[in-house]
This record gives sequence, structure tokens and C-alpha cells, in this order.
Amino acid sequence: SYVLTQPPSVSVAPGKTAKITCGANNIGTRSVHWYQQKPGQAPVPVISYDSDRPSGIPERFSGSNSDNTATLAISRVEAGDEADYYCQVWDSASDLRVFGGGTKLTVL
Amino acid sequence: QVQVVQSGAEVKQPGSSVKVSCKASGGTFKTSGFSWIRQAPGQGLEWMGGIIPISGSANVPQKYQDRVTISADESSSTVYMELSSLRSDDTAVYYCARGNGDFFQYWGQGTLVIVSS
Repeated sequence: SYVLTQPPSVSVAPGKTAKITCGANNIGTRSVHWYQQKPGQAPVPVISYDSDRPSGIPERFSGSNSDNTATLAISRVEAGDEADYYCQVWDSASDLRVFGGGTKLTVL
Repeated sequence: QVQVVQSGAEVKQPGSSVKVSCKASGGTFKTSGFSWIRQAPGQGLEWMGGIIPISGSANVPQKYQDRVTISADESSSTVYMELSSLRSDDTAVYYCARGNGDFFQYWGQGTLVIVSS
């Protein structure tokens, strides 16, 4: 099965840029989606199809995807960005939807 | 405005079944994709399967094929997920998510299922 690998945690100071990676074999050939989840809440999509921002998501959130790594970047990080972030793809070979293990973003 | 609203929390005995509902509003129900995603306490997200109502058939990973039934009722714009032979490790929040293609654009509020004797 297709496995997505995320770092368990990322820490960043306020105002700086946080980068969260999602690694997998040839992930650059797939569409990657990113979700933000705050404690006790349902996930919220923040990036779709590698780099599109859903309505209402600040421009500070951006995405890229190439070769074996997809990246979610959050610029000018704020305390309110502290959350768990999950990447997700569709594995066409198996017709399954797959999530990464999640990354906890801590704002120092 | 597209929304999905899930049924309320459940407490179940081991070995029993639970059926969680997801009522959709807005958009075109029968051509939308609906998925069920679960999250055990302190754990990540896990896709349990999905359905496009117009197709009439669900796509469920092998891991859950013998225990999960996903169905849709167009007359009430509601999707259901039934999980049988419940075990303590099925205790989790179950989310319904809606979207087209493989992107989960709209999420329900989640349904807590507790399996305990």
C-alpha cells in the first residue's frame, strides 16, 4: 500500500515560515491535499490539489509537490496556526484514499 | 451552502454494531463523493471507505471489508456507515466527509463511538 511519511512534529517561532513535508515514492505524480485539525475539532482543508487554497484560507498557506516530497508552507506563522496537519492522496493503483501520520505544529 | 451533519454519540457493547448517519444539504447529493474517516483517541486519520450515491456501490479497504457497510439513501440525502463486531479499539471519532474526486472538501462534526462493556 502507498505510505505517506510526515515528521511527527515541527516547531516554529511566530512570524517565521513553517514547512511540513509529506514524503512518498513519486508523490509528485499525484495530487496532494492538506488538512488542519485543531484539538476537539474536525479537520479543515487548507490546500487542495498540491497548491490550491480553498475559499477562506489565508494566502499565508501554500503548497508544492515534486518528485518524492510534497510540502505545506505557512508563512508569517501565528499562534492560531498551532494544530495537527495531515497530507492525503488518492492511490489510484488500489483506489484507496491515504493519509499521512500527521504533524503537530508548535508555535514557540 | 454545502453541509454534512452527523448523528450523535453512541455507546456500544463489544460484539454489537453501530450505524452512523451523515445528512447532506446543498449541492448535488447523488454525484457527490462521501467518505468515512475515523480517528482513534490521540491518533491520526484513517480512511474507512466511501460511496458515490449514483453508483450504488461502496469502496471499502480490505481491512474493513468484512465489518463495514456503507450505504446511501437518495430520498433523504443521507449516507450511512455501519460497523459490526465492535471491539474496544473501535472507540474513535468517526467523520463523514464530502467532496468530488479524492479531495475531502466538507467535513461533518464527527460522531464519537465508545465501545465498552
